[in-house]
Amino acid sequence: GESVGLHLPTLSVQEGDNSIINCAYSNSASDYFIWYKQESGKGPQFIIDIRSNMDKRQGQRVTVLLNKTVKHLSLQIAATQPGDSAVYFCAETNSGGGADGLTFGKGTHLIIQP
Amino acid sequence: GAGVSQSPRYKVAKRGQDVALRCDPISGHVSLFWYQQALGQGPEFLTYFQNEAQLDKSGLPSDRFFAERPEGSVSTLKIQRTQQEDSAVYLCASSPDSLVYGYTFGSGTRLTVV
Repeated sequence: GESVGLHLPTLSVQEGDNSIINCAYSNSASDYFIWYKQESGKGPQFIIDIRSNMDKRQGQRVTVLLNKTVKHLSLQIAATQPGDSAVYFCAETNSGGGADGLTFGKGTHLIIQP
Repeated sequence: GAGVSQSPRYKVAKRGQDVALRCDPISGHVSLFWYQQALGQGPEFLTYFQNEAQLDKSGLPSDRFFAERPEGSVSTLKIQRTQQEDSAVYLCASSPDSLVYGYTFGSGTRLTVV
C-alpha cells in the first residue's frame, strides 16, 4: 500500500515505551489545536484536541501539552503499542466566528519496534 | 452512513483529462471540507461548504478546480484539464455544525495523473 511517511521525520520507539511527538505551530492567533493519526491508505483520525485556554489535556494513553509562549505542541503516547504505528499530524485553527480550514503541520512517522 | 465515504478510491487520469471526485458526508452534517494531501505532506485546505453554500474556496489552487454541493449533502470536486502536479490524495471531511469541532475525514481518493 501507499506510504504517507515518505520524507517525514521519523520517531522509532520500543513497544511499551512512551513516545513524545513535537509540533511547532506558526499562527499566534490559533486557539484550537488537534492531533490526528493517519495510517497508510486512510484519512486522518482524531486523537485529542486542546483549546488555547488550557496547557494540558489527557485522554486514554495520550496527553497533549500546549506552550503558547513558544508556539509548541506535543503529543505524549504512553506504553506504545504496535497499533500506534502511523503518521501523526498536529493541526491548528482560529475557531472564532465559525468553521475554518485546519492548517496541518508536516507530520511525524512513528515506528514501533517489537 | 456511519462515516464519510469517498469515491472512487483510486483514479488514474491522463494529463488533460477532466475528473470528478465524490464525497458522501455523514448524514445530517452541515459542514463539508475538501483537502489535498501530496505524498509525504500534511493535508492542505481547499474549500468549505456550509450546507449548499460554498463559504470559502481560498485554497483551490487554480480555476481548474471546482467544487459543488448542490443539495447540501453529497459534494463533488471537479478538476479540469488535469496536470501532473494535481496528483495527490483528495480528502473530504464533514462536521455536524458550523464549527470545526467534530471533524470526520474520509479515506480519500488517490488521484494519479500520468
